[in-house]
Amino acid sequence: QKEVEQDPGPLSVPEGAIVSLNCTYSNSAFQYFMWYRQYSRKGPELLMYTYSSGNKEDGRFTAQVDKSSKYISLFIRDSQPSDSATYLCAMSEKYFNKFYFGSGTKLNVKP
Amino acid sequence: GAVVSQHPSRVICKSGTSVKIECRSLDFQATTMFWYRQFPKQSLMLMATSNEGSKATYEQGVEKDKFLINHASLTLSTLTVTSAHPEDSSFYICSAPDRVEQTEAFFGQGTRLTVV
Repeated sequence: QKEVEQDPGPLSVPEGAIVSLNCTYSNSAFQYFMWYRQYSRKGPELLMYTYSSGNKEDGRFTAQVDKSSKYISLFIRDSQPSDSATYLCAMSEKYFNKFYFGSGTKLNVKP
Repeated sequence: GAVVSQHPSRVICKSGTSVKIECRSLDFQATTMFWYRQFPKQSLMLMATSNEGSKATYEQGVEKDKFLINHASLTLSTLTVTSAHPEDSSFYICSAPDRVEQTEAFFGQGTRLTVV
């Protein structure tokens, strides 16, 4: 069983739609939960991170963590074509220590 | 913000040769760096943890004699793929956490290695 499972893509939505991206995990020791955005042939860029359970909002992005269910989500409101990328969830036991990544969900926001 | 620079961005080499990839933290000291590998349509998989001044720690299944890691200074870690084979063709990315500012871990731009 993989440490982190991520919903397979690709996901195609119209501009303005609400996007929901999800990951599940098996290691209860994970404390830090991150969402990265990766454009083709580039390194990942941090979007948001959350410590333990709860919600965090940053502009159009909302990250949710439910440790009891070992389930995390990223919501994108009013999606834009510029949001088209691969979104990776990542988790670690210690603060920005070695990460375990999901396989990524490719998002395409159509104008 | 802090930047991690990785070089080269793309390299093509012949089977049996060695390739060195550099990862530099440009404006912060990185006592630890992480090396990941990403195969097409797969996730980033941690290969090893590079520790300044000591031996690297390798993940299970990663051959330490094949993937040589050197972290000789607080701003530079290198990954050398020795005796490269076509199956080593992949996207290699380094990451360094900024432990002083404790803001995030920064990723290099990645290196696309193609072994022919």
